[in-house]
Amino acid sequence: AQSVTQLDSHVSVSEGTPVLLRCNYSSSYSPSLFWYVQHPNKGLQLLLKYTSAATLVKGINGFEAEFKKSETSFHLTKPSAHMSDAAEYFCVVSDRWGKFQFGAGTQVVVTP
Amino acid sequence: EADIYQTPRYLVIGTGKKITLECSQTMGHDKMYWYQQDPGMELHLIHYSYGVNSTEKGDLSSESTVSRIRTEHFPLTLESARPSHTSQYLCASSEGQGGTGELFFGEGSRLTVL
Repeated sequence: AQSVTQLDSHVSVSEGTPVLLRCNYSSSYSPSLFWYVQHPNKGLQLLLKYTSAATLVKGINGFEAEFKKSETSFHLTKPSAHMSDAAEYFCVVSDRWGKFQFGAGTQVVVTP
Repeated sequence: EADIYQTPRYLVIGTGKKITLECSQTMGHDKMYWYQQDPGMELHLIHYSYGVNSTEKGDLSSESTVSRIRTEHFPLTLESARPSHTSQYLCASSEGQGGTGELFFGEGSRLTVL
């Protein structure tokens, strides 16, 4: 069985400050991990993915995430938030058969 | 850019009607999925398929049914719609070994049952 927990349902940051979105996972096997973003009334877009290669993964729009097996975490960060980063973010874990489990999501609000 | 299409994008129907939400992908992906998402909420897996003639129920119980007769097509059917079925339905596909491939999503079908 696998599961994913996003530790914050809402995160509010000021424009230009760092963003941290926390994600913990559990999996019986070596998982693949993903971060997706969903802007209002838009489809889901892949930000980045980890599939057992480098533990620090760089994605689009300046986002990156670090896979920490000892902490079973896959936190998403960005050094400097932009207004366009306001959206819902989902951490996703998949098992070796291709079944994907989504976290509950983190709503990011960016203030000027 | 992903080539996965859902129709209709928006549908408003009365209780008791039968509906089919269409999902097609042109990428040749074996794995396809249906997720249900209420506004501002998480995605719940309701059906998935690992290939032609393969369908499985997801983690969220659903009264809908699916079929996978062709690789590119994965329609979802509700025999008798009810207001509790009002939601957004997202179709996705993926490739790659096991779960290493990313999910590609359609734009969603937003269903309202009156």
